[in-house]
Amino acid sequence: AIRMTQSPSSFSASTGDRVTLTCRASQGISSSLAWYQQKPGKAPKLLIYSASTLQSGVPSRFSGSGSGTDFTLTISCLQSEDFATYYCQQYYTYPYSFGQGTKLESK
Amino acid sequence: QVQLVESGGGVVQPGWSLRLSCAASGFTFSNYAMHWVRQAPGKGLEWVAVISYDGSNKNYADSVRGRFTISRDTSKNTLYLQMNSLRAEDTAVYFCARSGYDSNDYPAYYFDYWGQGTLVTVSS
Repeated sequence: AIRMTQSPSSFSASTGDRVTLTCRASQGISSSLAWYQQKPGKAPKLLIYSASTLQSGVPSRFSGSGSGTDFTLTISCLQSEDFATYYCQQYYTYPYSFGQGTKLESK
Repeated sequence: QVQLVESGGGVVQPGWSLRLSCAASGFTFSNYAMHWVRQAPGKGLEWVAVISYDGSNKNYADSVRGRFTISRDTSKNTLYLQMNSLRAEDTAVYFCARSGYDSNDYPAYYFDYWGQGTLVTVSS
């Protein structure tokens, strides 16, 4: 099974900051990677798929990059509503797997 | 608009069974693969099972294979998860989720829409 590792596990930032979150796959997954945002008590929300394609309706301050084993999610100018937990997910092969999450907190 | 509404969760004892349902609306249900994803309290996300758009192919996480069965009823626009021999470690919020497509219009198994989830608690 492919293991997805996110770093950091938690991160403190301020509104207006540029933030980059990292996700690493234990083996190559091409560009078969998605990013999700989850707020407490809510379902996850798709942000990015195919490593860099922005889901419709998602603000352009979110961007994704990478291929193979190393991926990043960047929030260019952090807004108050962006404080949440972020998960990466590989869909290259079964079993589809998620990273453990990065909790983005207000400094 | 796309809506996924789960139901059927509850509190059961170890070894018991439970069937979850997910009512889909706002899209052509028969065109999409569908998934179940779960989240244990305070933990991360775990993919559970997938069923192809026509129900002909199914796959499961190792942790549930042989105990859980995913199915769909296109006439009712409903996805199901039959859960047998439940264990304490199956305690989680269970989400149904719709599968996406890639730029070439091939199924791609990320999750573009999610339901609100239903809580399953397995406890004696």
